[in-house]
Amino acid sequence: AQSVSQHNHHVILSEAASLELGCNYSYGGTVNLFWYVQYPGQHLQLLLKYFSGDPLVKGIKGFEAEFIKSKFSFNLRKPSVQWSDTAEYFCAVSPGKSTFGDGTTLTVKP
Amino acid sequence: NAGVTQTPKFRILKIGQSMTLQCTQDMNHNYMYWYRQDPGMGLKLIYYSVGAGITDKGEVPNGYNVSRSTTEDFPLRLELAAPSQTSVYFCASSYSGGQGTDTQYFGPGTRLTVL
Repeated sequence: AQSVSQHNHHVILSEAASLELGCNYSYGGTVNLFWYVQYPGQHLQLLLKYFSGDPLVKGIKGFEAEFIKSKFSFNLRKPSVQWSDTAEYFCAVSPGKSTFGDGTTLTVKP
Repeated sequence: NAGVTQTPKFRILKIGQSMTLQCTQDMNHNYMYWYRQDPGMGLKLIYYSVGAGITDKGEVPNGYNVSRSTTEDFPLRLELAAPSQTSVYFCASSYSGGQGTDTQYFGPGTRLTVL
């Protein structure tokens, strides 16, 4: 069975700071990896995903994530956060039924 | 495409009442899911389905029932509502067909309060 661990429960940053959210997974086979974002009061939506090819994937709003197979990691990054990035971020792994991490709440102070 | 739709958006129940949360998707996805989300607690999978006629329990199935008679619809039934079922409920769907698939699409959620 697959599992996902997100290291940070709550991250607080000032605008223009750089962001890195950790995600590690466990699964023995080929995986699809996802980051979803949930803005306050809204539902989850896809931020980016990786399934093959270039391990550095780019998503919406300047976010990117790097898949490091040897470390079973898929960390999310953004060079300069904005107040509007305040949200909860979920890492997930599949195949089939995805397993979600517990989420990281990001608060960006203006 | 409407994507994933859920009704109702809000509902208040009294203890012991029952209700059905409706979920419909128009993307011909084979997988559908029900989650609950409590403040600061992430997503908890209640039930999921890999196709019409097939359902399976998730992490927190007690107090809930589901059915999947069509590809499009996946209703969630609450019997004998309890205050512990106060939560936001999200329905989601995905197409699972191997590598590169499995992206989940979420509905707008139903905010349920049991008093």
